[in-house]
Amino acid sequence: EAGVVQSPRYKIIEKKQPVAFWCNPISGHNTLYWYLQNLGQGPELLIRYENEEAVDDSQLPKDRFSAERLKGVDSTLKIQPAELGDSAVYLCASSPDPYSEQFFGPGTRLTVL
Amino acid sequence: GIQVEQSPPDLILQEGANSTLRCNFSDSVNNLQWFHQNPWGQLINLFYIPSGTKQNGRLSATTVATERYSLLYISSSQTTDSGVYFCAPGGGADGLTFGKGTHLIIQP
Repeated sequence: EAGVVQSPRYKIIEKKQPVAFWCNPISGHNTLYWYLQNLGQGPELLIRYENEEAVDDSQLPKDRFSAERLKGVDSTLKIQPAELGDSAVYLCASSPDPYSEQFFGPGTRLTVL
Repeated sequence: GIQVEQSPPDLILQEGANSTLRCNFSDSVNNLQWFHQNPWGQLINLFYIPSGTKQNGRLSATTVATERYSLLYISSSQTTDSGVYFCAPGGGADGLTFGKGTHLIIQP
């Protein structure tokens, strides 16, 4: 069974540029999460989707971050414009439902110059 | 939100040694997971353990939900066990809350 797929694995951009990350969850998993991991820290939840509905986006900085999960499968996280402080690893995870085990993708490492 | 404390923050052991990693959390939870983050950054699922005890090879975990702590035991350590171990309680509406991790180094 394929795991959670993320792309790109690495991204280097200049500040003020836009960037997008893509996630394909495990087949059949209705719940999808985006987490942010800063260097030396544990991941922190940004947003949670139940199918195509964002049910918890309280930690998402909405002035520059946006996310979507059209058709309730793949998801895209976007930053526009990127700032130096956005340099981090962006992780996608999925689970069958909010109370079940979560599985993580390999992450996208973003560097903003 | 939930507060998570992991101890020790750093641990250096010789190959073959045993270790116990601890996770304390502040609220009752529906879910608790242990992960190993390898040097390439991949989070590998070790245990899904909201309560009770589980074993998988050289690793075992115990969660005492009523006392809000979980323990991860690693026996006969190998160099490939090196990395960061995260405890993440939570689940339900709030997702997982990760601790700062225990950085484990196993020396040959």
